[in-house]
Amino acid sequence: QVQLVQSGAEVKKPGASVKVSCKASGYTFTDYYMYWVRQAPEQGLEWMGWINPNSGGTNYAQRFQGRVTMTRDTSISTAYMELSRLRSDDTAVYYCAGGSNLRYWGQGTLVTVSS
Amino acid sequence: SSELTQDPAVSVALGQTVRITCQGDSLRKYYATWYQQKPGQAPILVIYGQNTRPSGIPDRFSGSYSGYTASLTITGAQAEDEADYYCNSRDSSDNRLVFGGGTKVTVL
Repeated sequence: QVQLVQSGAEVKKPGASVKVSCKASGYTFTDYYMYWVRQAPEQGLEWMGWINPNSGGTNYAQRFQGRVTMTRDTSISTAYMELSRLRSDDTAVYYCAGGSNLRYWGQGTLVTVSS
Repeated sequence: SSELTQDPAVSVALGQTVRITCQGDSLRKYYATWYQQKPGQAPILVIYGQNTRPSGIPDRFSGSYSGYTASLTITGAQAEDEADYYCNSRDSSDNRLVFGGGTKVTVL
């Protein structure tokens, strides 16, 4: 069965960077874009961007331009999302999602930004 | 960029029908996709395309469209349908995604 397994929770200080991984299994990793979506506490879902695992091409939401980098390693079917210059309002659960229509979701990674 | 607007909350009596709407310019061009999210869990895909349910989603969930508005209808709501529901679609101006703000459904 398809699984997206994300890395564990992180606690970071303001100004630092965080890199979250998402390992895919159960399907051909390069067949579908990988999306990243975040959810701040008690808030809605927010699309951050996507990466084409086949080409490495990316498309980022405007509000994250310059701070987010999405990469992938096809040899281990893993996508990465790195967010830099963290602020307290970046505290959120970060999800990877793949498959057509974002059919498959990772379990989420809580990133807490606190001094 | 486009926005998708959802009502923040709706309630429905057990066994009755509830319609959740999602309004936005992009829906004139792109289909909406609907997700259900329960507290502490990742979202689950419930409706995509014109009105397609992934396997495992009960047939009481259905989707429809009218102009700039997409709707998710739960016919015969069950207690387990109590959740937040989000729509998304492509942005009408470029190849990006946008989510609605979500609708909290309470089953009374």
